[in-house]
Amino acid sequence: GAVVSQHPSWVICKSGTSVKIECRSLDFQATTMFWYRQFPKQSLMLMATSNEGSKATYEQGVEKDKFLINHASLTLSTLTVTSAHPEDSSFYICSARSQSSGELFFGEGSRLTVL
Amino acid sequence: DQQVKQNSPSLSVQEGRISILNCDYTNSMFDYFLWYKKYPAEGPTFLISISSIKDKNEDGRFTVFLNKSAKHLSLHIVPSQPGDSAVYFCAARSDTGRRALTFGSGTRLQVQP
Repeated sequence: GAVVSQHPSWVICKSGTSVKIECRSLDFQATTMFWYRQFPKQSLMLMATSNEGSKATYEQGVEKDKFLINHASLTLSTLTVTSAHPEDSSFYICSARSQSSGELFFGEGSRLTVL
Repeated sequence: DQQVKQNSPSLSVQEGRISILNCDYTNSMFDYFLWYKKYPAEGPTFLISISSIKDKNEDGRFTVFLNKSAKHLSLHIVPSQPGDSAVYFCAARSDTGRRALTFGSGTRLQVQP
């Protein structure tokens, strides 16, 4: 089946630094990718919708200057957490919609811990 | 405002018995519903889905029922197996707009051997 790969799968960083998470569709093209965040024992909350070649659409309450999203190609979207703080520690998951089939596939997730 | 709700945070069943996970939604624009299984520190894995034009969809041990008038859906797993132990998320989307998924808060299923 189609695969979506996230990298890194886990990262620990110091407060104030920036962290970039990549989301790649490995065997299909994705015009749309979604970024979710999950806090422990809570639901997956949609952060933003990323469209190839255009600006991301952010959900209410998500700071676009803090969570920079770039979708430069049909197979890659990146989420950069800028000036990370401990409260940004979370599990970040991307999903990608196949351009051809419309199916949605999820990445394995990236756990961010900010010290 | 939670548009998709899973009111049972956890469920424990015996191996071989039926597991029933419930989900309620409030947004009448939702017309496609999905169930995902998730292990800690992994992405969700798609299990089964149902369109609003149907009231039942079956795939092996998994059956999803949709009651549109009650805005309620349920996932039945029978027979339950220890390997089914995981967190199950209900998700819904509208077929218009961005078609992003809205997730429930999840139900942790524990199947006892």
